[in-house]
Amino acid sequence: DSGVTQTPKHLITATGQRVTLRCSPRSGDLSVYWYQQSLDQGLQFLIQYYNGEERAKGNILERFSAQQFPDLHSELNLSSLELGDSALYFCASSVATRGLHEQFFGPGTRLTVL
Amino acid sequence: AQSVSQHNHHVILSEAASLELGCNYSYGGTVNLFWYVQYPGQHLQLLLKYFSGDPLVKGIKGFEAEFIKSKFSFNLRKPSVQWSDTAEYFCAVIQTDSWGKFQFGAGTQVVVTP
Repeated sequence: DSGVTQTPKHLITATGQRVTLRCSPRSGDLSVYWYQQSLDQGLQFLIQYYNGEERAKGNILERFSAQQFPDLHSELNLSSLELGDSALYFCASSVATRGLHEQFFGPGTRLTVL
Repeated sequence: AQSVSQHNHHVILSEAASLELGCNYSYGGTVNLFWYVQYPGQHLQLLLKYFSGDPLVKGIKGFEAEFIKSKFSFNLRKPSVQWSDTAEYFCAVIQTDSWGKFQFGAGTQVVVTP
């Protein structure tokens, strides 16, 4: 158990819908990262938040957005869902001291878009 | 473009055989390097990491990796694998002055047969 929690574990929805994935970082970690893992794209970095502020952006679609709340939990919002958005979405957290970036991963949310 | 490449996508070997997985990166500056493992149905777990110092690093479960700066490589090794080492292995790289934009390799699926 890494100490990072994600809910829900599984999500099945239809195209065009909107979903919200939730992540709680390890106690003491200020930074949260979101990744998408799919068979064809591998593990792709989406976005990072540090203490409530966006810090780094990766291959995140405009239909996706994220935020980190004052209690440091984060939510990833996926809208206008397409079949290709079906993937495993991981959240990770770290202390995020610049130069030291060990990340601890949560169990993931498996999203299936039908 | 900056990238991380893992040489093998699939490796099949017998118990007690030695394992070596290759990882090369193309970043020009100072980097931190990681190997993560993902057991079937589980989240990513850190095997080992390199920040600085001795280029030969030892991780959990008998794994070790060697950082060769001149070759931009960080190869993972284990002298004698067990069936329980069946998993997917990911190399990850981050620039030390970066705010967390991990770049993962495509992963190597390792299957250890009894």
